[in-house]
Amino acid sequence: DVKVTQSSRYLVKRTGEKVFLECVQDMDHENMFWYRQDPGLGLRLIYFSYDVKMKEKGDIPEGYSVSREKKERFSLILESASTNQTSMYLCASSSYRALHFGNGTRLTVT
Amino acid sequence: GENVEQHPSTLSVQEGDSAVIKCTYSDSASNYFPWYKQELGKRPQLIIDIRSNVGEKKDQRIAVTLNKTAKHFSLHITETQPEDSAVYFCAASRGSGGGADGLTFGKGTHLIIQP
Repeated sequence: DVKVTQSSRYLVKRTGEKVFLECVQDMDHENMFWYRQDPGLGLRLIYFSYDVKMKEKGDIPEGYSVSREKKERFSLILESASTNQTSMYLCASSSYRALHFGNGTRLTVT
Repeated sequence: GENVEQHPSTLSVQEGDSAVIKCTYSDSASNYFPWYKQELGKRPQLIIDIRSNVGEKKDQRIAVTLNKTAKHFSLHITETQPEDSAVYFCAASRGSGGGADGLTFGKGTHLIIQP
C-alpha cells in the first residue's frame, strides 16, 4: 500500500515566518505534488515535480517554493507566511493508477 | 489550462435513493477523468475513473459516464448508504493516474445521505 507521510498534522506560525512542510513517499514514485484545499475552492495545485531537482509551477505558485533533493521527499516552503496562506496542504505522489495523498497539514498563520 | 466545473456544491438525498454529480471540463485534450472521495477528516481517495475511449464504467453501486463531445462527465451512485456521505471531487487530466502534470479538480460536492 502506498504511503505518503506529511511531517505535521497541525502547524501554527506567525506572519512573516519561513515555513517548511515536509512530505515523504515510500513507493519510488517520480511525480510528486503539493495541493492546497480550501472550503468551496476544492483542491488547487501549487507546485509539482517529475524528477529530483525538477519543479514546475501549478495554478497558484505565488508565495510558495519547493525543494526536491531526493526522490522520496518533496518540501513546500512558504518564504514569508501570510494569513491568506492559512489552509489545509495536501501532498501527493502519483502512480499510473492514481494520485495518492498524504493526511494533510492544517496550517494556521496568525 | 484546464478548468473543471462541478455541480451541485451540496447534494442531500434520502438513504436508498440515487445521487448524481456532474462536471464539465474545458480542455478538449483531456483524456482521463477520475473521481475522488474524501470522508470527513481523511485524505481524498480514488473511487472510480474513466478514460476518453470509454463512454461508461461501472463498479458495483457507482458508475461514471463521459460525453466527450459535450465535454462533461458524471458520477452516479445508486442505493445510497450512510457511508456514502462525503465530499466528492471530479478531476481531469491529459495523462493518466496523476500524470506528470497533475490533476485539475472541481470544487467538490458535499453529499449528505439522510436516514
